[in-house]
Amino acid sequence: GIQVEQSPPDLILQEGANSTLRCNFSDSVNNLQWFHQNPWGQLINLFYIPSGTKQNGRLSATTVATERYSLLYISSSQTTDSGVYFCAVTYNQGGKLIFGQGTELSVKP
Amino acid sequence: DVKVTQSSRYLVKRTGEKVFLECVQDMDHENMFWYRQDPGLGLRLIYFSYDVKMKEKGDIPEGYSVSREKKERFSLILESASTNQTSMYLCASSPDRGAISYEQYFGPGTRLTVT
Repeated sequence: GIQVEQSPPDLILQEGANSTLRCNFSDSVNNLQWFHQNPWGQLINLFYIPSGTKQNGRLSATTVATERYSLLYISSSQTTDSGVYFCAVTYNQGGKLIFGQGTELSVKP
Repeated sequence: DVKVTQSSRYLVKRTGEKVFLECVQDMDHENMFWYRQDPGLGLRLIYFSYDVKMKEKGDIPEGYSVSREKKERFSLILESASTNQTSMYLCASSPDRGAISYEQYFGPGTRLTVT
């Protein structure tokens, strides 16, 4: 099955710093999503991005489907950005998500 | 605003009890999913359903069953709860084939402790 690898596994930043999170996947996909898991455990949708680039405020994401990777950019990080960021893919439309192991981000004041 | 709700945020049950976890979505999605999340193991699919009264086993269905009597509601049933079912349970929904987007949305999760 498809393998999804995220890097780095952990990241510590000072408030205001920028960061890039990476997601590699081993096969063609037709859905890729980025989530932020908040301290209460809820998965918050950040981006639905099977290809191309999207921006939402301080966050942006790029997926290069032909090279099988996606990047999540966080600019001017804030303490509220702390938590775990997951990349997840599907290879069939509307099917189950296959998750990476996540990147745990800690933003220090 | 899209919405997936789960019946409880926290639940404590005893070994051997029958446990029902309820999930409701208001987006008219065909597909619904139950995952569990455990430290070191990530998120794993238990069961999913692509239509009313339809169900498919996921990666770890043992010890669980599901029910989907109405399109908006998907229930996860632990027939006889065991301590190794202590976990975070997450419900999700997504549109089926033919949709513009297949984005999957998650509920807030239920932290279940079996003692």
